[in-house]
Amino acid sequence: GAVVSQHPSRVICKSGTSVKIECRSLDFQATTMFWYRQFPKQSLMLMATSNEGSKATYEQGVEKDKFLINHASLTLSTLTVTSAHPEDSSFYICSARLAGGLNEQFFGPGTRLTVL
Amino acid sequence: RKEVEQDPGPFNVPEGATVAFNCTYSNSASQSFFWYRQDCRKEPKLLMSVYSSGNEDGRFTAQLNRASQYISLLIRDSKLSDSATYLCAVKTGSARQLTFGSGTQLTVLP
Repeated sequence: GAVVSQHPSRVICKSGTSVKIECRSLDFQATTMFWYRQFPKQSLMLMATSNEGSKATYEQGVEKDKFLINHASLTLSTLTVTSAHPEDSSFYICSARLAGGLNEQFFGPGTRLTVL
Repeated sequence: RKEVEQDPGPFNVPEGATVAFNCTYSNSASQSFFWYRQDCRKEPKLLMSVYSSGNEDGRFTAQLNRASQYISLLIRDSKLSDSATYLCAVKTGSARQLTFGSGTQLTVLP
């Protein structure tokens, strides 16, 4: 299957700092990438849908000014958590859909964010 | 009401047992259905897609009931390595984004 990478895999930061997470499709082009968040013992919640070259579409309740998404190329999307607070500590997972693909999404390995 | 609902479990079963998970969805316009497996602190991995006619992959059988809006996953002859959280997912909307259930935790005991 297609490979999606995320970097970093784990980050610990102080409250108030910004954290950037990268999501890359390594061997395919992804016109659409999705960002999910998962709190302990809960399911993945879609945060936003990112389309290459256009603004991301955010789900209800997700602050676009706090979670900045940039999808500048067909293989890279970034999520920046600005002014992170302890309640932002979570497991952030991206997924990418093949350009022209109908169904399958390929997930990255996730980024575990801990805000102190 | 949640878009996708699952019994969270946990299900603790002995090796060799048969276990079934159900998942209901609220949007009748949902287009595609999947079962994912997620190990602790890892990303979800696609286990199988669910087709209207039902489909089987080895010990795993998935079924879809559009009239009642639920999907099911049956695991036969469960192995220790089947221990994980099983997430159902439903694809809806123009962007075809996935909506996940809360997951059902399975522990297979020796």
